[in-house]
Amino acid sequence: EAQVTQNPRYLITVTGKKLTVTCSQNMNHEYMSWYRQDPGLGLRQIYYSMNVEVTDKGDVPEGYKVSRKEKRNFPLILESPSPNQTSLYFCASSLRGYGEQYFGPGTRLTVT
Amino acid sequence: AQSVAQPEDQVNVAEGNPLTVKCTYSVSGNPYLFWYVQYPNRGLQFLLKYITGDNLVKGSYGFEAEFNKSQTSFHLKKPSALVSDSALYFCAVRDMNFNKFYFGSGTKLNVKP
Repeated sequence: EAQVTQNPRYLITVTGKKLTVTCSQNMNHEYMSWYRQDPGLGLRQIYYSMNVEVTDKGDVPEGYKVSRKEKRNFPLILESPSPNQTSLYFCASSLRGYGEQYFGPGTRLTVT
Repeated sequence: AQSVAQPEDQVNVAEGNPLTVKCTYSVSGNPYLFWYVQYPNRGLQFLLKYITGDNLVKGSYGFEAEFNKSQTSFHLKKPSALVSDSALYFCAVRDMNFNKFYFGSGTKLNVKP
C-alpha cells in the first residue's frame, strides 16, 4: 500500500531532550516536507526536500533540523525542544515538487 | 509575501444544500492551488488542484473548485452536501519561486442532517 509513515504517533518529552520523528514513504517520491499544525494557524511548512541531499527552509524552520540521506526517509530532529514546539506534526511527500502531497498520519508532540 | 486566506472558521450547511468554502491567495507568478480535507485524528487528504487550463476543476467526492484570477480566489464547492462531508478543509498554494507551500488556517464544515 502506498503510504507515508511517521513514528512515533504520540510523544511527550521534556524541555531540552533531543528527539527525532521519523518519516518514510514507499512511493519513490522526490519531494518531502514537514509541517506543523496549530489551532487557528493551519499548517506551516518547517523544511522541505526536493531530492536526496537537497533540503531547504520553509516558513518556520527555527529549532528544527532535517536530513535526506535516502530518498524514502526524511527525519525531523529537535535538538533542544521547547514548550512552544508542542504541536501536531505532519510529514508529506509528492512525486515532484508541484503536485499533490500525500500526508502521514501525524505525530502529536508535547514538550513540558 | 505569499499567503492564503480562508475567511470563515466554520461553515454550516444542511444536507442536500450546496456548499461553498472560500479561499483567496496571494502569490507571485502563476499559482498552483490545492484543496485538502482532514477528518478527525487523520492526516490531510488531497481533494483537487489547479495548475493550468480550465478554471473549473473537478475533484474527489463530488467536489469542485473555481479558479478566479482577477479575484485571486479558489473557492471549493459541492452541489449537494452530505453529512459525511463534515470535516476540516484547507486551501494551499505553491510558491513556484521557492518550492514552498502555504496553507490557509482551515475551515470547519458542518453538514447537518
